[in-house]
Amino acid sequence: ETGVTQSPTHLIKTRGQQVTLRCSSQSGHNTVSWYQQALGQGPQFIFQYYREEENGRGNFPPRFSGLQFPNYSSELNVNALELDDSALYLCASSLSLAGLNEQFFGPGTRLTVL
Amino acid sequence: AQSVTQLDSQVPVFEEAPVELRCNYSSSVSVYLFWYVQYPNQGLQLLLKYLSGSTLVKGINGFEAEFNKSQTSFHLRKPSVHISDTAEYFCAVSDRGSTLGRLYFGRGTQLTVWP
Repeated sequence: ETGVTQSPTHLIKTRGQQVTLRCSSQSGHNTVSWYQQALGQGPQFIFQYYREEENGRGNFPPRFSGLQFPNYSSELNVNALELDDSALYLCASSLSLAGLNEQFFGPGTRLTVL
Repeated sequence: AQSVTQLDSQVPVFEEAPVELRCNYSSSVSVYLFWYVQYPNQGLQLLLKYLSGSTLVKGINGFEAEFNKSQTSFHLRKPSVHISDTAEYFCAVSDRGSTLGRLYFGRGTQLTVWP
């Protein structure tokens, strides 16, 4: 069974650019959540996708957007990058929506904005 | 709104000593409780979770945690730590009954085990 994978591992961008991060969910999982982990902080919820629809969103501006595909893989897009967007971006998949379901995390994408 | 407080940002301990990592939470609704571990350059791995029933839960790698509703705490313990336990530990909660399953994390506790 393949776990959650993310690509790329590392990424360097400059302010104002756009970036796309990718996530492949664990087999059989239809729910994907994205989290931002700034240095020295706990992960912060960005949004969640369930069966290709956005199911909920944290306190992030609209320049953070996402997609989920029919195979339940997902993308996180960030437009107009700012220095504060530098962080580890984590993707997590789960069997379904309920809070009791374990979320399986990928290794993350380290984004650096210069 | 939910908030999670991890009272210690860093906990140094010698190998084979016991350790306790403290976690308190604040919530207007009932919650599920989780502890995750993050090794360097890796994602988060679930150590244990409290959903219901016995307030003492056992997890992987010899860790256990106790849910105390009156004190809104969920402290993580291990009776004897190993060098390999050196990692960042995160306490998290999610709303019981929510269909969102959003996790609210604390800021983390860096556990460093010295030989």
